[in-house]
Amino acid sequence: DTAVSQTPKYLVTQMGNDKSIKCEQNLGHDTMYWYKQDSKKFLKIMFSYNNKELIINETVPNRFSPKSPDKAHLNLHINSLELGDSAVYFCASSPLSGSGGKTQYFGPGTRLLVL
Amino acid sequence: GDSVTQMEGPVTLSEEAFLTINCTYTATGYPSLFWYVQYPGEGLQLLLKATKADDKGSNKGFEATYRKETTSFHLEKGSVQVSDSAVYFCAPLRKRRQLTFGSGTQLTVLP
Repeated sequence: DTAVSQTPKYLVTQMGNDKSIKCEQNLGHDTMYWYKQDSKKFLKIMFSYNNKELIINETVPNRFSPKSPDKAHLNLHINSLELGDSAVYFCASSPLSGSGGKTQYFGPGTRLLVL
Repeated sequence: GDSVTQMEGPVTLSEEAFLTINCTYTATGYPSLFWYVQYPGEGLQLLLKATKADDKGSNKGFEATYRKETTSFHLEKGSVQVSDSAVYFCAPLRKRRQLTFGSGTQLTVLP
C-alpha cells in the first residue's frame, strides 16, 4: 500500500554515465515533483508536473530531464553524471484540490553517489 | 523572493524536555505553512500544517501556530521523546504549489 515509491533506493555509478530514477504514486494525485537534497540536508525543488505537463522547471542543468508517461509516474533521467550530482533525490505528489490539496507526499528517496 | 529562516541546529535535548524550533518566512500573501519531519534514512513526512492566520496545526504532541503578524510558524512540543530524534523542516507553500524548505533542524533527544 505504498503511496509514493521510488526505484532504485541506492544508485552508485561512474562519472559520465546516464541513469534514470523512477517514481510512481498510487494516490490518484494530479501533480508530481522532484526535489534534490544535498549533503547538508538542504532541499530544493527541481521539477513539477501537473497531469503530465511541466509546470515548474527550476534552474537545473539540462542534463536532467523529467519524463511523465502518465499521471501516476514521473521519472528523472540524468545524462553525463557529475560528482556534484551526488545527493538524495525525492519524488513527491499532491492532489490538485480537496482537503489535502496543498499537502505533498514524499517518496523514500533515491541516494545517488557518483564516483 | 520567498525565503525561510529556520533555527539552526543541531539541537540536543534530554527526554521530556520542552522543544521549540523557530521558523520565520517571507512570502507574497499568506501561504499555507508546513512542518515536515525526516527520520534517519527515510523520506519526508508531513508533521503538521496550517492554512490560514491563527490556525494551529498539531500532531503527535507537536504544535505550531500560524502568526501572520510576525510571519512565524514556530514548532513546539512539551515533552520530547527519544523517538522524536529527526530533522525538522519548515516550509511555506509558494505559488504553483512550490514548497520552499528551510535549512532543516537536526534534533537529537537523549534518554
